[in-house]
Amino acid sequence: KNQVEQSPQSLIILEGKNCTLQCNYTVSPFSNLRWYKQDTGRGPVSLTIMTFSENTKSNGRYTATLDADTKQSSLHITASQLSDSASYICVVSKGGSYIPTFGRGTSLIVHP
Amino acid sequence: DGGITQSPKYLFRKEGQNVTLSCEQNLNHDAMYWYRQDPGQGLRLIYYSQIVNDFQKGDIAEGYSVSREKKESFPLTVTSAQKNPTAFYLCASSIAGGSSGNTIYFGEGSWLTVV
Repeated sequence: KNQVEQSPQSLIILEGKNCTLQCNYTVSPFSNLRWYKQDTGRGPVSLTIMTFSENTKSNGRYTATLDADTKQSSLHITASQLSDSASYICVVSKGGSYIPTFGRGTSLIVHP
Repeated sequence: DGGITQSPKYLFRKEGQNVTLSCEQNLNHDAMYWYRQDPGQGLRLIYYSQIVNDFQKGDIAEGYSVSREKKESFPLTVTSAQKNPTAFYLCASSIAGGSSGNTIYFGEGSWLTVV
C-alpha cells in the first residue's frame, strides 16, 4: 500500500533554533515529493518539489533533502521564526497518477 | 489575482440538511479536487475531476456529491447521508494531462459545523 509517514507528529522549538522534519514513503513508482506548509485554518501552500534526480532543494530558510534509495525526505528549517508555526505536510506522487498521497503532517510550534 | 476561491469560509448545518460548498478557480486548471481534513488527520480525498462533466470518487465519497458543469467550478454538496460532516474542507486544482509532476494548489478552506 502506498503510504507516507511523517515524524515527529508535533514539535516545539524556541525561536531562532533549527529543526528537521522527517518523511518516509513507500509510494512506488516514485514521481516526485513535495513539502507543503499549512497555517492553522488555511489551505496548504507548496514549499518545495523534488524529483528522483534531486537530492537537495532550498526555498529561503527551508531546505528539503531526498534519498530516493531509502525513500526518505527531510525538511530542515533554519533560524526558525514565529511565523514558521504551522503544519508541514509531505506529499508523494506516484508515477502515472496525479492523485498524490498525503502524510498526516508535523505540527510545528515556535515559541518566543 | 489567479487562485482558488472557496465559499463560505464558515458554515453551520442542522442535522438532516444538505449544504453546498462552492469552489471556483481562475487558473485554467483541468483537474479539481475536494479534500476533507479532520483535526490531527491528514487530507482525505472525497472526489476529483479531470475534465468537465466527469468526476470520480475518492477514498471517502459516501454522503457527498459533486458536479463539474464548468471548468472553473467544482461545488461539493454534503448530504444528510454524511453522518459526521463536521470538518475542514479543502478544494484544490492542478494542471491535468496525466503528468504527476503538477503542483496541486489549494483554496483557503471551508469550515463546516453541524449544530
